[in-house]
Amino acid sequence: GAVVSQHPSRVICKSGTSVKIECRSLDFQATTMFWYRQFPKKSLMLMATSNEGSKATYEQGVEKDKFLINHASLTLSTLTVTSAHPEDSSFYICSAQEGTTSTDTQYFGPGTRLTVL
Amino acid sequence: GNSVTQMEGPVTLSEEAFLTINCTYTATGYPSLFWYVQYPGEGLQLLLKATKADDKGSNKGFEATYRKETTSFHLEKGSVQVSDSAVYFCALRENQGGKLIFGQGTELSVKP
Repeated sequence: GAVVSQHPSRVICKSGTSVKIECRSLDFQATTMFWYRQFPKKSLMLMATSNEGSKATYEQGVEKDKFLINHASLTLSTLTVTSAHPEDSSFYICSAQEGTTSTDTQYFGPGTRLTVL
Repeated sequence: GNSVTQMEGPVTLSEEAFLTINCTYTATGYPSLFWYVQYPGEGLQLLLKATKADDKGSNKGFEATYRKETTSFHLEKGSVQVSDSAVYFCALRENQGGKLIFGQGTELSVKP
């Protein structure tokens, strides 16, 4: 099946710094990528949807200036958590699909554990 | 809005026991339904799916049937193995926009 990677798998940073997380589709071109956040023992919450070359669409309640998403190529999307605070500590997961329709399969990355001290 | 509710975990079973993880949903229209599995330290993997009422998704001995009348998509396996230990997520996908909405996940632990 299709493979999606994330880097780094784990990051610890100081409060007030910015952190960038990369999501790559390794063997297919991802027209659409999604970013999710998962709290401990909780479900995945969609943060935003990005289409290659376009601005990301953010879900209600997600601060677009805090969680910057860039999808500049068909194989790479980045999520930058700006001025991170301890409450931003979470597990961030991306997914990618080849097309833009609801029938396309989403392939998930392994996730990035962010800890803000 | 659309939502997914699944049974709380953790669920602990002995090897070869029968597994049921309940999942119900609330949705307008006709969503597609999914079960994803997350093994320790790994990303989510699609386990099975069903795209319309009465469809049965199956994979690796797991099955789930899309029941529109009861708005349910319960996951079953006749005989679990230790290697099935993981967190299982039920999800629906809206036809408009393609957004995936997940349940809270059910942790399954299978003991030898």
